[in-house]
Amino acid sequence: DSGVTQTPKHLITATGQRVTLRCSPRSGDLSVYWYQQSLDQGLQFLIQYYNGEERAKGNILERFSAQQFPDLHSELNLSSLELGDSALYFCASSVDGGTNTGELFFGEGSRLTVL
Amino acid sequence: DQQVKQNSPSLSVQEGRISILNCDYTNSMFDYFLWYKKYPAEGPTFLISISSIKDKNEDGRFTVFLNKSAKHLSLHIVPSQPGDSAVYFCALYGGGSNYKLTFGKGTLLTVNP
Repeated sequence: DSGVTQTPKHLITATGQRVTLRCSPRSGDLSVYWYQQSLDQGLQFLIQYYNGEERAKGNILERFSAQQFPDLHSELNLSSLELGDSALYFCASSVDGGTNTGELFFGEGSRLTVL
Repeated sequence: DQQVKQNSPSLSVQEGRISILNCDYTNSMFDYFLWYKKYPAEGPTFLISISSIKDKNEDGRFTVFLNKSAKHLSLHIVPSQPGDSAVYFCALYGGGSNYKLTFGKGTLLTVNP
């Protein structure tokens, strides 16, 4: 158990819909990262928040947005969903985004299926 | 632009033998080089890392080698055990203001009893 909690574990929805994925980081961790893993793809970095502020941005679509709340939990919002958005979405956390050595703690992921 | 390449999608070895997983990268700016392991239905877990100023780091059965001139990273597992069967991702971290972890596509290691 990494201590990172993601909900829901599975989600099935239709094209055009909007979903929200939630992540609670490990206790004491200030940074939250979101990654997308599509079929036959590695883990694609989407976005990172550190203590409530956006720290780094990757290949995140404009239809996607995220935020980190004062209690440090984070939400990833996916809207106008397309079939290609079907993927595993991982959240990870770390103590500090600046002095980290790259050791992140990952949740079990949220599997999104868009029909 | 794929900065991290794991050219072998899969690798099969016999129990007790050495497993060697390889990773090539293009950008020399990274500070840390890591290996993560992933079992089905679980998130990736950190396995071992190496700083850019070192060329070898060992932790039990796992050894990571870094060849900066060749921009090549490898993970040696000796001896391999069936429980090591998983997907292994190499990942690169840091450098300048880059705080993100950049992953390769992974190599599925199967250790046969």
